[in-house]
Amino acid sequence: DTAVSQTPKYLVTQMGNDKSIKCEQNLGHDTMYWYKQDSKKFLKIMFSYNNKELIINETVPNRFSPKSPDKAHLNLHINSLELGDSAVYFCASSQDFAGELFFGEGSRLTVL
Amino acid sequence: QKEVEQDPGPLSVPEGAIVSLNCTYSNSAFQYFMWYRQYSRKGPELLMYTYSSGNKEDGRFTAQVDKSSKYISLFIRDSQPSDSATYLCAIRQGGKLIFGQGTELSVKP
Repeated sequence: DTAVSQTPKYLVTQMGNDKSIKCEQNLGHDTMYWYKQDSKKFLKIMFSYNNKELIINETVPNRFSPKSPDKAHLNLHINSLELGDSAVYFCASSQDFAGELFFGEGSRLTVL
Repeated sequence: QKEVEQDPGPLSVPEGAIVSLNCTYSNSAFQYFMWYRQYSRKGPELLMYTYSSGNKEDGRFTAQVDKSSKYISLFIRDSQPSDSATYLCAIRQGGKLIFGQGTELSVKP
């Protein structure tokens, strides 16, 4: 039973489209995150939610909008996709603000 | 200057070799240091965690922090082909982790 699961695993789309990635964790954790990993494997935080409340919002374009309907889910919606958005997006969760992070397997987004 | 710097490699070693992976960081206030391992097409998983200075050992893996030179290291003894992965150092800053670029390691049988 996967602890942090993301869908879809692969996404290929055209520039200008809107797409969403979904994440669910069954660990009972309070905190969830979105990280972006670029083609050089550089992993950078985008957002963090604690108990459905946004607590970290790095300098991410406002085309990216996270939504946390409940503690176990954190979705990422991206509007007007650009070539530079091509990356692997990782969802993660932790028990609390300072706990160990558990990552999902990633959603590989390719924008053509 | 990036907050965490890591040589991306790739690094290729023969099976049984001792591997040394290193990172430098810029802010002397950092206290929590981690190493994550990421297999191809998978998410990162926590390998080791240290607080402040010193060494921590877990089986074939040793994590070392030298706060005076702002240097963190991961040593792998008796490396195995199953150790082939990307190793990312990370530093905790408040509620977020700041990662190095990751070093791609290949252990050849």
